[in-house]
Formats: sequence, C-alpha cells, structure tokens
Amino acid sequence: GAVVSQHPSRVICKSGTSVKIECRSLDFQATTMFWYRQFPKQSLMLMATSNEGSKATYEQGVEKDKFLINHASLTLSTLTVTSAHPEDSSFYICSASWTEGVPEAFFGQGTRLTVV
Amino acid sequence: KQEVTQIPAALSVPEGENLVLNCSFTDSAIYNLQWFRQDPGKGLTSLLLIQSSQREQTSGRLNASLDKSSGRSTLYIAASQPGDSATYLCAVYGTNAGKSTFGDGTTLTVKP
Repeated sequence: GAVVSQHPSRVICKSGTSVKIECRSLDFQATTMFWYRQFPKQSLMLMATSNEGSKATYEQGVEKDKFLINHASLTLSTLTVTSAHPEDSSFYICSASWTEGVPEAFFGQGTRLTVV
Repeated sequence: KQEVTQIPAALSVPEGENLVLNCSFTDSAIYNLQWFRQDPGKGLTSLLLIQSSQREQTSGRLNASLDKSSGRSTLYIAASQPGDSATYLCAVYGTNAGKSTFGDGTTLTVKP
C-alpha cells in the first residue's frame, strides 16, 4: 500500500516553544490529510482536515491559532503546536487520503510530543 | 455523526485461547474498516483492512469480518500468545468527507 511518513516520531520540548510535525505522502498525492490526537488511555480524535492550498477545517473545540496546519503541497502537511504547554503532551498522528481507485486512508507512524 | 464502539474495553485471557473483539458503527456509509494494534507508547500498526464490499480478511492467526448492513465487525484471534497483548483499535473510513472515526479500543492481555 501507499506510504505516509510522519516526522519526528518523538519530540520533547520546553513550555512556550513551538513544535512542527511533518506528514508526507511518499508515493502518492494527497489532496486531503487529517490530523488526529490521542490523549492518554483514550482513542484518537480528529483535530482537523487539511486541504492542499486552502485553510484547514478544524473540529469543534480545537484551537486553530494553537494548532497551525499548513498543506502547501500535495505530498506535505505540517502541524505546528505553538506556545506548547504540558497539557499539549499527547500522541499526534496524521493520515492521507488515497483517492485513486478504491478510497483508503493511510496513516503515519505518529509523533509522541512531551512538553516539559 | 459516525460513532464507533468497541466491546469489551478490556479483556484478559490465558495463552492459547481463541478470542473475539467487537466493533460496531452507526453509519454504514463507509469505504472500509480497519483494525489496528497499538502497543503502549507506540504508534499504530495496521492489522487488517476490509473494504466495504468485502465480508472478511485474514492474516495469519487474525480474521476480521464485516457486516456493513448491521454496522458490525469482529476481529478473531486464534491461539492467542502473550505477544498479542496490546490495545486493538478499529477505525471506519467514512464516505462523508473521507475522515476516519476510531473506537476507544480493546486492551487485551494474554497471560502466559
């Protein structure tokens, strides 16, 4: 199947700093990518839908000024956690939609963010 | 709005036992359903993906079934092993906006 690469896999940052997470579709073009967040002992919740060349659509309750999403090309979407706080510590995962043929979502490996 | 429920939330079995994990969803407008495994502190490992037109998929000791009309899927694990201990998530990929909705997971413990 298609490959989605997410980087970094783990990151530790200090409170108040910003962290950028990249999501790349390696062998296909993804007009739409999705960002999910997983709180401890909970399931993954959709944060936002990222569309190439346009503004992301955020789910209710997700601060768009805190979680900046940029989808500048058909193979790259980035999530920037701005002014990170310890409560932002979580597991973040992206997926990219494959729309050629049978639709399918391919997931990145995830990023474990720890804010200290 | 799609809702995905997984039962049971936790399961503990002795090694060698066959077991079934359940996943139900409320909206049958899906492209596919996928089962994942997640180890503590780790990312997702895709186990099986069933397209909406399919009834089941098999990989080794794993068999997943899908009944789209009733909104149900099961993951059958044969001859369980301690290494199977993990959290198992199911996710449906919906035709509405193409996003995935995850269940809360079933945490499986296989005791030696």
